[in-house]
Amino acid sequence: DAKTTQPPSMDCAEGRAANLPCNHSTISGNEYVYWYRQIHSQGPQYIIHGLKNNETNEMASLIITEDRKSSTLILPHATLRDTAVYYCIVRATGNMLTFGGGTRLMVKP
Amino acid sequence: GAVVSQHPSRVICKSGTSVKIECRSLDFQATTMFWYRQFPKKSLMLMATSNEGSKATYEQGVEKDKFLINHASLTLSTLTVTSAHPEDSSFYICSARDPSGGHQETQYFGPGTRLLVL
Repeated sequence: DAKTTQPPSMDCAEGRAANLPCNHSTISGNEYVYWYRQIHSQGPQYIIHGLKNNETNEMASLIITEDRKSSTLILPHATLRDTAVYYCIVRATGNMLTFGGGTRLMVKP
Repeated sequence: GAVVSQHPSRVICKSGTSVKIECRSLDFQATTMFWYRQFPKKSLMLMATSNEGSKATYEQGVEKDKFLINHASLTLSTLTVTSAHPEDSSFYICSARDPSGGHQETQYFGPGTRLLVL
């Protein structure tokens, strides 16, 4: 599976949108982009995934560039409970998830 | 999303004893489950892939005789840490694939089990 690159940490003001970037320049045509987050001392929580179209659910929006080499996870109105490590993972069907370092998002009041 | 549970949530044991951790998929049947380990301030590392009705597949460097995995049913996988030592102290997390997503099966994670070996 393609490797991803994320900033190690980001801050966001409570109530503002949090935009978390991810680079995956070596992504293949059959690989999906997944986002998970891990709140301290808990198991990872699935957020969203997509192939090439932008996706939105009750938690977040996923914007994938046209060349699919990067994506952005958007939390529209960040709350203190969104403070977590966010993992961007590229995965082909049938493969397991491989976690990188992720982005530590700190939402501040 | 689908729910995966783990039991116990935390366990403290003496060095040399064995510890069993259970992972259950509560609202779906999972032919494939995964076991991860996470050390403090580190990312999750895959230990093994558990397949229902067959032997687990272990990642390089993970001792299969020390970390026994059993996937006896479509909703239950167990990880037994045998003869635990202090260096086995870690956060163990299981994950299961929900097949209802069609060809793109989403993995859901349990809440984790914190093991402390004294």
